[in-house]
Amino acid sequence: GAVVSQHPSRVICKSGTSVKIECRSLDFQATTMFWYRQFPKKSLMLMATSNEGSKATYEQGVEKDKFLINHASLTLSTLTVTSAHPEDSSFYICSVVQGRRTGEAFFGQGTRLTVV
Amino acid sequence: DAKTTQPPSMDCAEGRAANLPCNHSTISGNEYVYWYRQIHSQGPQYIIHGLKNNETNEMASLIITEDRKSSTLILPHATLRDTAVYYCIVRVGGGATNKLIFGTGTLLAVQP
Repeated sequence: GAVVSQHPSRVICKSGTSVKIECRSLDFQATTMFWYRQFPKKSLMLMATSNEGSKATYEQGVEKDKFLINHASLTLSTLTVTSAHPEDSSFYICSVVQGRRTGEAFFGQGTRLTVV
Repeated sequence: DAKTTQPPSMDCAEGRAANLPCNHSTISGNEYVYWYRQIHSQGPQYIIHGLKNNETNEMASLIITEDRKSSTLILPHATLRDTAVYYCIVRVGGGATNKLIFGTGTLLAVQP
């Protein structure tokens, strides 16, 4: 299956600063990547679909200006949390869907963001 | 994508089979059943998927009822490392752009 690498795995930042999270598809060219957010003891919530070379598609209720997504190449998508606040603290996970016929998804290891 | 219903939690003794049920009564004909699991503080891991027929791989077996309204994931010999949240998802198969929407999942606790 596809190998998906996320960086950093943990980050602590101060309120008001911005944080960039990288998601790399190491062995598969991904025109589409997905970004999820997960609160403690809750399920994954889809935030947005990242499209290579074009604008991301955001789910309802997700602030586009707060969560900037860039998918500049077939192997890299980035999520930037801008002007972070403590309520943005969460576990962020990216994924790639591989398999044109079967559509299995593979996930990064996640990024634990803590805003202080 | 169709909704799924899973029990919030289950226990299983180590070495025994774990049978995790999932209801998906509104599944469409072109939707597959996928199972993923998430071990604490890690990204989800793909387990298995199927359309109509039962499937087996090195990790698990998937039993889908004939009417496709429910399915069961079977871990034949559960170990402590299988303790995780298991998610059953139905989704149109194929295509890299089809979204994967997670429900609440089942927390499987494997007991020694």
